[in-house]
Amino acid sequence: EIVMTQSPATLSVSPGSRATLSCRASQSVSSNLAWYQQRPGQAPRLLIHGASTRATGVPARFSGSGSGTEFTLTITSLQSEDFAVYYCLQYDNWLTWTFGQGTKVEIK
Amino acid sequence: QVQLVQSGAEVKKPGSSVKVSCKASGGAFSTHAMTWVRQAPGQGLEWMGGIIPFLRRTNHAQKFQGRVTITADESTNTAYMELSSLTSEDTAIYYCARGASPDYSPWLDPWGQGTLVTVSS
Repeated sequence: EIVMTQSPATLSVSPGSRATLSCRASQSVSSNLAWYQQRPGQAPRLLIHGASTRATGVPARFSGSGSGTEFTLTITSLQSEDFAVYYCLQYDNWLTWTFGQGTKVEIK
Repeated sequence: QVQLVQSGAEVKKPGSSVKVSCKASGGAFSTHAMTWVRQAPGQGLEWMGGIIPFLRRTNHAQKFQGRVTITADESTNTAYMELSSLTSEDTAIYYCARGASPDYSPWLDPWGQGTLVTVSS
């Protein structure tokens, strides 16, 4: 079973600043990694798939990088609507998915 | 544009079962994996299981072994998740999410709106 570990659990950032979120897989998932944003009371929203491909309509300030076991989501110039919880998801195995435990991005 | 619409909130007694539905419209159903994810209050996302409808192949997280049944009705483009032997720890929002491409394990998009299941005596 692949375990996904996100860090930090909480990230305090000032509006307009940069946020860097990490996700580590217990074994290689190649580039089969997605990032989701979840605001309170809403379903998760796809931001990134294939480790670095932005989903349709996602602003360019969101970028993903990495492969294998180490992945990063970077949000440049944080806007008010970006304060939310972010999850990584691996989809490397047949009909099996695993989420990280999430990183909460809060206003500093 | 695919949309997933889930059934309404449920209140269940401990020991009972719940069956949540997820109807897909506006896109392919049978060839894309449909998964179920839950989120307990204040907690993270937890993958429960999935199905590829036209293959009738399912898989589920070990944690739910023996308690979860995932099915799909291709005639109505509807997927179902049934969870049995409910306890208070099953109180959560249950989401369906479709695989974004006709693959065995693609990323998940779109998502349903979620169904709140409350287990209480």
